[in-house]
Amino acid sequence: GQSLEQPSEVTAVEGAIVQINCTYQTSGFYGLSWYQQHDGGAPTFLSYNGLDGLEETGRFSSFLSRSDSYGYLLLQELQMKDSASYFCAVENYGQNFVFGPGTRLSVLP
Amino acid sequence: DGGITQSPKYLFRKEGQNVTLSCEQNLNHDAMYWYRQDPGQGLRLIYYSQIVNDFQKGDIAEGYSVSREKKESFPLTVTSAQKNPTAFYLCASSSGTGGYNEQFFGPGTRLTVL
Repeated sequence: GQSLEQPSEVTAVEGAIVQINCTYQTSGFYGLSWYQQHDGGAPTFLSYNGLDGLEETGRFSSFLSRSDSYGYLLLQELQMKDSASYFCAVENYGQNFVFGPGTRLSVLP
Repeated sequence: DGGITQSPKYLFRKEGQNVTLSCEQNLNHDAMYWYRQDPGQGLRLIYYSQIVNDFQKGDIAEGYSVSREKKESFPLTVTSAQKNPTAFYLCASSSGTGGYNEQFFGPGTRLTVL
């Protein structure tokens, strides 16, 4: 079957660094994406990893290890506005997208 | 401004009625998707379409139907066969599939079946 696993909740303070992990099992794999969703809102794209390694976009970085079926999203210099749910997502060879259950990040003052 | 629109934002229907959710995009994207999200859960793919007049079932297509007669439009019908239709429905589009694939989401429709 296809499945993605993420921690359900993470809490951190403003200015800190937090890492959200994602492990996956899929039939075929193009790459791993990350999306942010604020309560009541629509998901917005954050990053994509098609190859092993680290991708950096401002305060956010994402990492992928295809051999370990593992990736993570790293958020630095946390701000209150980063409080949201974060989803990893995989596109498999059937162009079928599978999203993880989401990690709810709470940033405390 | 380019983007994806969904209407209505909130929708109430009686049990046993079919209902159609609208999704329109002016991003000139080939691929469009419908997802369902239940409270505190991730997104589950209902249907997707990579090109006009063609669409594929996702993981939870039972009780739903779609059409793709125009590139810009991908309406979703929630039929009476869907056992638990109350949910948040999200439409998305992307320029392609198979690799880097940023999906742009609409604001969503919250469907409540009474």
